[in-house]
Amino acid sequence: GAGVSQSPRYKVAKRGQDVALRCDPISGHVSLFWYQQALGQGPEFLTYFQNEAQLDKSGLPSDRFFAERPEGSVSTLKIQRTQQEDSAVYLCASCGTSGSTDTQYFGPGTRLTVL
Amino acid sequence: GENVEQHPSTLSVQEGDSAVIKCTYSDSASNYFPWYKQELGKRPQLIIDIRSNVGEKKDQRIAVTLNKTAKHFSLHITETQPEDSAVYFCAASPGFGNEKLTFGTGTRLTIIP
Repeated sequence: GAGVSQSPRYKVAKRGQDVALRCDPISGHVSLFWYQQALGQGPEFLTYFQNEAQLDKSGLPSDRFFAERPEGSVSTLKIQRTQQEDSAVYLCASCGTSGSTDTQYFGPGTRLTVL
Repeated sequence: GENVEQHPSTLSVQEGDSAVIKCTYSDSASNYFPWYKQELGKRPQLIIDIRSNVGEKKDQRIAVTLNKTAKHFSLHITETQPEDSAVYFCAASPGFGNEKLTFGTGTRLTIIP
C-alpha cells in the first residue's frame, strides 16, 4: 500500500513567515511522530500523537511550533514566525499499534529553508 | 532522557569486506533498537531491529547484536556492496516502535569498488 507522504517536499520561507507542513500517515496507523533533522545529524523527536491525542510534545523547541491531528489521520506541523535556525528537514513517521507492526515508517520529509 | 552515541562517524570499506557500526545508550529502560539506512535526499528506511529479549538477530548480510548489561548494540554488514553506501542511524526507544526514538548522530558508510 501507499507509504507515508508529506507535502510540500520543499519550502522556502522568509524569516518571520508562518509555514504549515502536512503529513499523510499510512492508512490505519494509530501513532504519528514528527522529527526534525538538521543537516548532517540524526532525526530529533518533536512530538507524538496517538489517534488525535497529542501525548508528548516535549521535543518542540519553542512555542512557535504547533502540531495537530484533529481527526486522527492527517497531521499538520505549523511553525510561526520562522527563524533561520528552523531550517531543517521535517520528517513524519507513522506506526501501527502492536506486534510486528510497531515499526516506524518515515515519509520523505519536507526540507524547510528560512532565508 | 535517553542519549545515544554512535561510532564511527565515517567508515570506508573495500567492497566485499565487512563493516561494523557501534552504538551505546544511556537509559536502561530502553527496550527497542532499530537501525535505519538513509540515502542522500531520501527517507530513513528500517533495515533491521532488535528487542531487549534477544541478543542477536540476522537478516541475510545484516546482523545486529545487543549487550544490555553494557548498554551497547552493533550493526554488522558482511560482503558489502556498492549499494550499501549510505548514512546509517541507530536508535533506541523505551517501548517498542510505537514510542519516540532517540537517534545516534549517524555513520556515513562508503563502499570502495
